Parts: sequence; structure tokens; C-alpha cells
Amino acid sequence: AQSVTQPDIHITVSEGASLELRCNYSYGATPYLFWYVQSPGQGLQLLLKYFSGDTLVQGIKGFEAEFKRSQSSFNLRKPSVHWSDAAEYFCAPYSGGGADGLTFGKGTHLIIQP
Amino acid sequence: GAVVSQHPSWVICKSGTSVKIECRSLDFQATTMFWYRQFPKQSLMLMATSNEGSKATYEQGVEKDKFLINHASLTLSTLTVTSAHPEDSSFYICSASLGGKDTQYFGPGTRLTVL
Repeated sequence: AQSVTQPDIHITVSEGASLELRCNYSYGATPYLFWYVQSPGQGLQLLLKYFSGDTLVQGIKGFEAEFKRSQSSFNLRKPSVHWSDAAEYFCAPYSGGGADGLTFGKGTHLIIQP
Repeated sequence: GAVVSQHPSWVICKSGTSVKIECRSLDFQATTMFWYRQFPKQSLMLMATSNEGSKATYEQGVEKDKFLINHASLTLSTLTVTSAHPEDSSFYICSASLGGKDTQYFGPGTRLTVL
């Protein structure tokens, strides 16, 4: 069965420190991979996506993610977090042909300490 | 960029009444629209997929007679929660896509509270 796992429910990081949010997937074939962020009172915003090619993907707001086929992972990173990065982050693999919705991980709640 | 709106942003209704939520793609024509449900502090769960001019496809466990979806045009999909009950209280989010592997663009969500 296809599944996605975000092992960390909550992560607390000091402002200015680096960040890594984990995402592991279990799919028959390599899916397309998305990271979304959900801030309070706002809709989901796409941070970045991986379809193929370069395994290190750059996104908005200084985020990047690295696809590692051998580990079935697509971890999200940021070298220096800002207080405004506090939000809920969702990893979403996609293997459909265009008519399927996304399957979201359970999400990681990011808390930024001053 | 692609913008998706939802209306209303929040709604409170009495048990037994029906509530309609609109999802619009403002600057593009969406081949496919999706409806998700999110409970507090939980992830999004896909409820149904709708294509313009055809019947929606519901996920397993989602009551199609309770959650009526109409996709009348390439820019508008509606979700009607019929005979709402307190357990239907949730955050409903729509998304729209051009199809294929294209990114889904999400609306801001609608908070439904059933008293």
C-alpha cells in the first residue's frame, strides 16, 4: 500500500538555526513529491516540488529539499529559520495520472523559539 | 500565480440545515477540482475529485448523499453539506488543477461549525 510518513509531529528550532523536516514514502514507483506549508488562517502554499532530474530542489522562502531514491526520502531543509516560518508543513507524494488528489503526510508543526 | 478562492471563509449553522461552499479558480480554468477535509491538528484527507461536467468521484467512506459536489464550470465547484450535524464541523479545503501532474492550487479553506 502507498504511504507517506512524517516522523516528527512537532519540531522546535531557535530562530536563525538550521532546519530539517523528514518525509519518507512507500510507493511502487517513484512518485512526484511536494512540500506544502500551512500558516494559521491561510491556505496551503506550495514550497517546492520534485518531478525528475536534479535531486536537490530549490523552493520559495529559502527552502530546499533533497530527493534520495535509496532512502525513499524527500527531506525539507532551510539553513536559517525565521520566526515567520512557524507553521504546519506537509509532505505530499503524488503518483496519479492527473485525476487523483494528493495524499498528505500527517504534518510537522514547526515552532520557532526566539 | 494561480489563485483559488473559497466562499464563505467560515460558517456557523444549525444542525439539520444544509450549507453550500464555493470554490473558484480566479485566473485559470481548472480541469479538475478536489475537496479535502481537515480536522483540528490533523492532516488533510481527500474527500472527492470533481471534473467539470461529470459526476464527482468520492473517496471510500465519504457519503456522496451528504456531501454533494457540483462542478458546473471550469472555474467553479461547490460542496453542499446536507443535513449537517455537529460531527460535520471541520475545515473544508478545495484545490484546483490544470490536470496531469500539474500543481494543485489550494483555496484558503472554509471553517464549518454545526451547532
